[in-house]
Amino acid sequence: DAKTTQPPSMDCAEGRAANLPCNHSTISGNEYVYWYRQIHSQGPQYIIHGLKNNETNEMASLIITEDRKSSTLILPHATLRDTAVYYCIVREGSGNTPLVFGKGTRLSVIA
Amino acid sequence: KAGVTQTPRYLIKTRGQQVTLSCSPISGHRSVSWYQQTPGQGLQFLFEYFSETQRNKGNFPGRFSGRQFSNSRSEMNVSTLELGDSALYLCASRLTGIREQYFGPGTRLTVT
Repeated sequence: DAKTTQPPSMDCAEGRAANLPCNHSTISGNEYVYWYRQIHSQGPQYIIHGLKNNETNEMASLIITEDRKSSTLILPHATLRDTAVYYCIVREGSGNTPLVFGKGTRLSVIA
Repeated sequence: KAGVTQTPRYLIKTRGQQVTLSCSPISGHRSVSWYQQTPGQGLQFLFEYFSETQRNKGNFPGRFSGRQFSNSRSEMNVSTLELGDSALYLCASRLTGIREQYFGPGTRLTVT
């Protein structure tokens, strides 16, 4: 079973920041937080991952709370192409275990 | 660098038949995982292969099997197809020592 809880859906205005929350209250010390997204009928796309520090790459920023029980994925300037289902996944540190996908958050970016 | 490729992209089969799907990972990636996606069950892990050995297996019946070749290409086979096997089958590859997986576009299988 997925170890994360996400809201089923969110809307965001184009050009604004999209902040997608994720709860993972049972995360253990060696587990990382991963974010993937899936645009309709395509394969999931890796976005970012982190352990305890905030992370940023060309796609997004990941903010993890100090107690690591929740995190937020930030898309700084959402575009219509960011409309997708976003999955927050907790996974053991080596990366040798499967990704366990929950239901994710369906983000709709609105013009 | 080319991404993960899957063939065929679309497939229609009849109940009771068998099917083989193919996945070519990103060059240099030795780990290949397979996932099934259905509207009802979402994305579910099938199995993972690394250096021609199955490393992890999900909770699927024995009708689902896979293998990996020495060039890291992988195939999965589903025998005695059932209507419920209709799904998008996704393959993902990973570079050793790197945590992120990269997915292919999937093969959409329809069983009639």
